[in-house]
Amino acid sequence: EVKLVESGGDLVQPGGSLRLSCEASGFTFATYSLHWVRQAPGKGLEWISYVGGPTGTIRYSETVEGRFTVSRDNSQKSLFLQMDSLRVEDTAVYYCARDMGGFQRGALDSWGQGTLVTVSP
Amino acid sequence: QSVLTQPPSVSGAPGQRVTISCTGDNSNIGADYGVHWYQHLPGAAPKLVIYTNTNRPSGVPDRFSGSKSGTSASLAITGLQADDEADYFCQAYDTSLGGWVFGGGTKLTVL
Repeated sequence: EVKLVESGGDLVQPGGSLRLSCEASGFTFATYSLHWVRQAPGKGLEWISYVGGPTGTIRYSETVEGRFTVSRDNSQKSLFLQMDSLRVEDTAVYYCARDMGGFQRGALDSWGQGTLVTVSP
Repeated sequence: QSVLTQPPSVSGAPGQRVTISCTGDNSNIGADYGVHWYQHLPGAAPKLVIYTNTNRPSGVPDRFSGSKSGTSASLAITGLQADDEADYFCQAYDTSLGGWVFGGGTKLTVL
């Protein structure tokens, strides 16, 4: 069974930092691309980051580029999101998700339950 | 303001058919990248219901179908059931932004 479990969400002050983790199981982690997606309270889904499987290509949305850093450790089957210079508007539930890849690139077929990040004074 | 435009809400009675539209432009849907659709219930993880325009993942009932034409895509749900009530989001790759974008979401209410 494919499983993704996020952790690391917390209450942090504006300007602070936080590191999220996503632990994967049930599939060959190294061969899959992964994404971070977030949902602010009362808002829709927002894509924020991608890291390729085989290639390690990295992409960010404009709203987080320069402040967030995505990485992966294939030996630990884990995905990470280092979030710096946090803003109140970064408050959201953060999900990691698996990319189907290939012709289905971008389709996210497995998601974690999410971890809540609250940025508040 | 989302790059992909969806109606905020749609509704239908049990057994009826509803469609949810997703409108983009030539840098995303019209750029011939696949459109994907997700069902999202409060407090739960989003669930992929259609990938690459028209394909259903294993386990998704055939009451769900997708289509794409030009710079727009649609999700259709037939034989509405109470547990279809959820938020639905479309998603596509945007060549101008160099990343993926979601629609603003559509709340489906089963009357």
